[in-house]
Amino acid sequence: AQTVTQSQPEMSVQEAETVTLSCTYDTSESDYYLFWYKQPPSRQMILVIRQEAYKQQNATENRFSVNFQKAAKSFSLKISDSQLGDAAMYFCAYRSAGTGNQFYFGTGTSLTVIP
Amino acid sequence: DVKVTQSSRYLVKRTGEKVFLECVQDMDHENMFWYRQDPGLGLRLIYFSYDVKMKEKGDIPEGYSVSREKKERFSLILESASTNQTSMYLCASSPGQHPTEAFFGQGTRLTVV
Repeated sequence: AQTVTQSQPEMSVQEAETVTLSCTYDTSESDYYLFWYKQPPSRQMILVIRQEAYKQQNATENRFSVNFQKAAKSFSLKISDSQLGDAAMYFCAYRSAGTGNQFYFGTGTSLTVIP
Repeated sequence: DVKVTQSSRYLVKRTGEKVFLECVQDMDHENMFWYRQDPGLGLRLIYFSYDVKMKEKGDIPEGYSVSREKKERFSLILESASTNQTSMYLCASSPGQHPTEAFFGQGTRLTVV
């Protein structure tokens, strides 16, 4: 099974500043998909951003962007101009493009935004 | 919008009870998943289903079973609840085609006393 590692259990950022959340994964596959999910206190998991491994260009969604390093198996999330509403648990996830339909999740990073 | 609905947000059950957690999705998705979420452990897959009446074990299936009699509904069953099954349970669904993401329900916090 693939493994997804988030080495930062907790992070904090000042409002309006930039923060980067780290994620690494282990796979022998060449084609796969990576995701960042946000889970606010309401518990509803929300997709933040998605990256296809075959695409070299890093995905961006408004203030959220990723740094995808395929050779290093690294997939970090950058949040720019942090807002109070960004405070949440963030989970990195992996899904194979080939066999199997499972999503593999990391252990999460709890982000605090300081006013 | 895709909607995944879990039958309860909070449940309190007694040790030894049979517990049913229900999940319904309204987007005709082939795949459905049950995850357990515990602090420091992230989301761990219990079971998933890629079609009606089909199921596959995830990483932690012990003590759980599932049922998928209709495409839109995926039930998680705790045959005899134990205190170590106190947790947050998340249901998700996704289409069979890639590269789509998983869509999640709002979670059920189960306490077994």
